[in-house]
Amino acid sequence: DAGVTQSPTHLIKTRGQHVTLRCSPISGHKSVSWYQQVLGQGPQFIFQYYEKEERGRGNFPDRFSARQFPNYSSELNVNALLLGDSALYLCASSSDPTSGNTIYFGEGSWLTVV
Amino acid sequence: AQTVTQSQPEMSVQEAETVTLSCTYDTSENNYYLFWYKQPPSRQMILVIRQEAYKQQNATENRFSVNFQKAAKSFSLKISDSQLGDTAMYFCAFMTDSGGGADGLTFGKGTHLIIQP
Repeated sequence: DAGVTQSPTHLIKTRGQHVTLRCSPISGHKSVSWYQQVLGQGPQFIFQYYEKEERGRGNFPDRFSARQFPNYSSELNVNALLLGDSALYLCASSSDPTSGNTIYFGEGSWLTVV
Repeated sequence: AQTVTQSQPEMSVQEAETVTLSCTYDTSENNYYLFWYKQPPSRQMILVIRQEAYKQQNATENRFSVNFQKAAKSFSLKISDSQLGDTAMYFCAFMTDSGGGADGLTFGKGTHLIIQP
């Protein structure tokens, strides 16, 4: 069975540009979350979506947005990129967002902003 | 807000030895979940073990076990008979039960574990 898949795996963008990262959850999973992991740090929670609705949001500026589609896949969008947005962006899925349900992570999308 | 602290940036042990990774957390919640995740060089986060705060019994998964001390807000991971494949970053993570998990996981900064041959 396919795990959580993310695309692209690596990308380089210029300051001020916009980026879209994509995620497909494990088949049957309806909840998707996004995390940002800066080098040398633990991941930080950005968003959680369930049944196409945003259910939770971390402490990130409005330049960060996301959405979930009817097939439960998700996109993370970042506008007006800053150098500090360079990070590994992790997508995670679970069957539903009930606390304590096992959360499975993808391999991430490496974003470099130059 | 919850915080997770991992006080050991790096640890190194010989293969087959036992190693314990430390984690403390701060929360005012009574019901919550604790996790240890492993992140190898491939960068994919892999769940190692989970613990429900309302369970007094410490979780175990094969060579991995935890020492959960709720009053002390401590959640350490013990790896027995360590193997070369255990070399990775290990992250301790917390999730509150209130809000149905909508606040996501709160991670510590990680411990880089190196298993020497």
